[in-house]
Amino acid sequence: DQQVKQNSPSLSVQEGRISILNCDYTNSMFDYFLWYKKYPAEGPTFLISISSIKDKNEDGRFTVFLNKSAKHLSLHIVPSQPGDSAVYFCASAAGYALNFGKGTSLLVTP
Amino acid sequence: NAGVMQNPRHLVRRRGQEARLRCSPMKGHSHVYWYRQLPEEGLKFMVYLQKENIIDESGMPKERFSAEFPKEGPSILRIQQVVRGDSAAYFCASSRTGGGSTDTQYFGPGTRLTVL
Repeated sequence: DQQVKQNSPSLSVQEGRISILNCDYTNSMFDYFLWYKKYPAEGPTFLISISSIKDKNEDGRFTVFLNKSAKHLSLHIVPSQPGDSAVYFCASAAGYALNFGKGTSLLVTP
Repeated sequence: NAGVMQNPRHLVRRRGQEARLRCSPMKGHSHVYWYRQLPEEGLKFMVYLQKENIIDESGMPKERFSAEFPKEGPSILRIQQVVRGDSAAYFCASSRTGGGSTDTQYFGPGTRLTVL
């Protein structure tokens, strides 16, 4: 039972453009959401998070939007850079355990 | 300012052997989590430990798997009598306080276990 779903396995974006990664969740008890970035053969690196009491959080080029009524969140990267090419995992929390999606592989082309 | 350390990075075992995975949390962190990632899957929570205590092991298989976080030394994830299905990447994370919704979990580089 996948409680966090990332329906796009991959995404390709041109350098300088916006990357939008999407995530849906099923459990309305989740109160905290995170995005992690992962390079091959490395562990996930924390990117940005958002509490359920907010609908937007911004950190530099990264912005996360939360739509609680739709149980949907998205990560916007503007402008996209080649170094952003990685797998991005959406995760949710209701307590201490994180629930991860399967990830979206982002490729930023020059 | 070392991050979460895991060793070994790669581990090869034959079926029936034991695998021991080690995790040293970030300095100042006393909460440790283990996750497993199967091929083409997301990370799945296994167990949450504080020093000398298992807080939640609801994600751990009932047999052959155990975890500990002693007062001194790293956290250990032990898999006895490994089978091919245990082949996966095992990630450890740590946080200063407990709670996925209150404190960020920082991940180590993972141990890639291959069972022949």
